[in-house]
Parts: sequence; structure tokens; C-alpha cells
Amino acid sequence: NAGVTQTPKFRVLKTGQSMTLLCAQDMNHEYMYWYRQDPGMGLRLIHYSVGEGTTAKGEVPDGYNVSRLKKQNFLLGLESAAPSQTSVYFCASSYDPKGLSPTDTQYFGPGTRLTVL
Amino acid sequence: GQQLNQSPQSMFIQEGEDVSMNCTSSSIFNTWLWYKQDPGEGPVLLIALYKAGELTSNGRLTAQFGITRKDSFLNISASIPSDVGIYFCAGPSEEYGNKLVFGAGTILRVKS
Repeated sequence: NAGVTQTPKFRVLKTGQSMTLLCAQDMNHEYMYWYRQDPGMGLRLIHYSVGEGTTAKGEVPDGYNVSRLKKQNFLLGLESAAPSQTSVYFCASSYDPKGLSPTDTQYFGPGTRLTVL
Repeated sequence: GQQLNQSPQSMFIQEGEDVSMNCTSSSIFNTWLWYKQDPGEGPVLLIALYKAGELTSNGRLTAQFGITRKDSFLNISASIPSDVGIYFCAGPSEEYGNKLVFGAGTILRVKS
């Protein structure tokens, strides 16, 4: 199993450009998440999905859109990138959102480092 | 909102020393999780705590769920160079539908 994979690993955008980050998981997990990680702020939840065809807002959703057309994929879109969106983006998946047992833990991808100039 | 405060923010330690870090909140959490992030990678779960007062070990790591349910501690014994990384505490937030909230992390650097 590959676990959680993310593409691309690195990307540089100019202000106003758009892009899509792809997350894929092969663990048949229902729940998928997008986080951003900024220095001194830990991980903050952007959007999440509780199953195929569903999405919901997290802590910092503004400026991002997501789609979950297939259970194994969760896409994060930036329609008009801004310098404030320079960050490292992590995707994660889990069977259950609460992590109430070791089998329900969130598994993270390796991250995408995005720079917006 | 429910926030997790970690301390210290960073630390340098000598190889072989024991390490302690903690996570506190003004709100009650029913689950405490400790993750480690190696440089250039995503976080990986180290220990999960589900009951107040619970003490759980994973090799050289020991974590405790505070009795008040507002704090948790992580100890690393006899540190080694591969312990380098960022340690995050996390817990399910009722404010965000029980999705995880993370502390800002404790950066651990080891002097060999």
C-alpha cells in the first residue's frame, strides 16, 4: 500500500494563478482532510470530507475549494493564489474522524510546499 | 475556540538526556494524541490517550493524559539523534465537529 500520496511535491505560483493539489489514498478510508502548516502555528484544517461526494469547511477555508468525486481522491483548489497562501499543505485520511482507536488514526501524506510570489 | 498550547516551543538536548514537553488547553479534551513530524515528511501518530489519568508508553516514549483532561505530557527517555523533529499534540475539537486541532509543535534538536 502506498498510503497517502500527494502531487505535486513543490510548486511556485504567481499571485492570481490557479492550481489544484491532488491527494490519493489506497486504504479505503471514508474521511479525508486538507491542512496547511505554517511556522509557529501547527496544522490548521482547511476543508475535510466525510465520504465520497461530501465536503465541509474547516478552520481556515477561505480562498480554497475542494472536491471528493471519488472515495480515494481529495482535491484542493486555489482559484486565485495569494502570497498568504504560501505554506506546506498536508492531506490526511482516516477511517473515523475522532481517532478513538489506533486503527482510526489519521495518516498523513508527505506534503506539498507551495510558494506564491 | 479550543486551542492547544505546547511548551517549550523548541529545545536543544544532549544525546542520552531525557526530554519532557507538555500540551495544555483551557477546554476539556476527551482524547489526546501525540504526533511526530520528521523533516520533509508528514506527521505520524506516536501515542493516543483516551482516559483521564492514563499513562501509555511506546518504546522510549511515555505520554500521560492529565486528570483535569486539560493537559497532556510527553516524555522521551535517553534521546538519540533520530528523535529530531517536531512533536505535535492534537485532540478532537467539538467546535469543528470533532475534527482534530493541533498545537503549534515543539521542535526538538539533539546535540550528538
